[in-house]
Amino acid sequence: AQSVTQPDIHITVSEGASLELRCNYSYGATPYLFWYVQSPGQGLQLLLKYFSGDTLVQGIKGFEAEFKRSQSSFNLRKPSVHWSDAAEYFCAVGLPYGNEKLTFGTGTRLTIIP
Amino acid sequence: DTGVSQNPRHKITKRGQNVTFRCDPISEHNRLYWYRQTLGQGPEFLTYFQNEAQLEKSRLLSDRFSAERPKGSFSTLEIQRTEQGDSAMYLCASSLRGGTANTGELFFGEGSRLTVL
Repeated sequence: AQSVTQPDIHITVSEGASLELRCNYSYGATPYLFWYVQSPGQGLQLLLKYFSGDTLVQGIKGFEAEFKRSQSSFNLRKPSVHWSDAAEYFCAVGLPYGNEKLTFGTGTRLTIIP
Repeated sequence: DTGVSQNPRHKITKRGQNVTFRCDPISEHNRLYWYRQTLGQGPEFLTYFQNEAQLEKSRLLSDRFSAERPKGSFSTLEIQRTEQGDSAMYLCASSLRGGTANTGELFFGEGSRLTVL
């Protein structure tokens, strides 16, 4: 069965600084990979996804993620964070050519300081 | 497009009572999913439907949990004889699945928070 590890429970970053959130997955082949964001009182929103092809994917709100097969990683990055980026971020994996059932990591809570 | 709607947003109940949550998916979406999220954890898959057919329910947490989607539109998740451990956020998501491609994107509602006293 597939699994997802987000090693950082909580990260604090200054506004304007760069950000990298880590995600490692375990699966026998290359899964479909996703990053979702959850703000307080809001539903989960898809930031970006990777299915195949170019390993650097661009998402909404200025986020990008890079798939590294050799490291089984799919880290999320943003060059300059804004106060509105404060939220919980979840990495998820799905099975290729299967249903859209996703396995989520435990999440990373991002705090932005002025 | 009104998005995925869930009701009620918050339910407080006493142990042993039954509760039911409703999910209205995006209108043209044929797949509907239920997840549970406890504090400090990511969402955990429970069950899903394609139209009115429940295609997987092995992850429902016990036989006290049941879900229906009788007409392939809205869905209900019922928990019978609630226990304190059932306290969680129950999330609904929908997607449009066509052909053999996994489009991959789930659209989530804001969730229904259950508190069992």
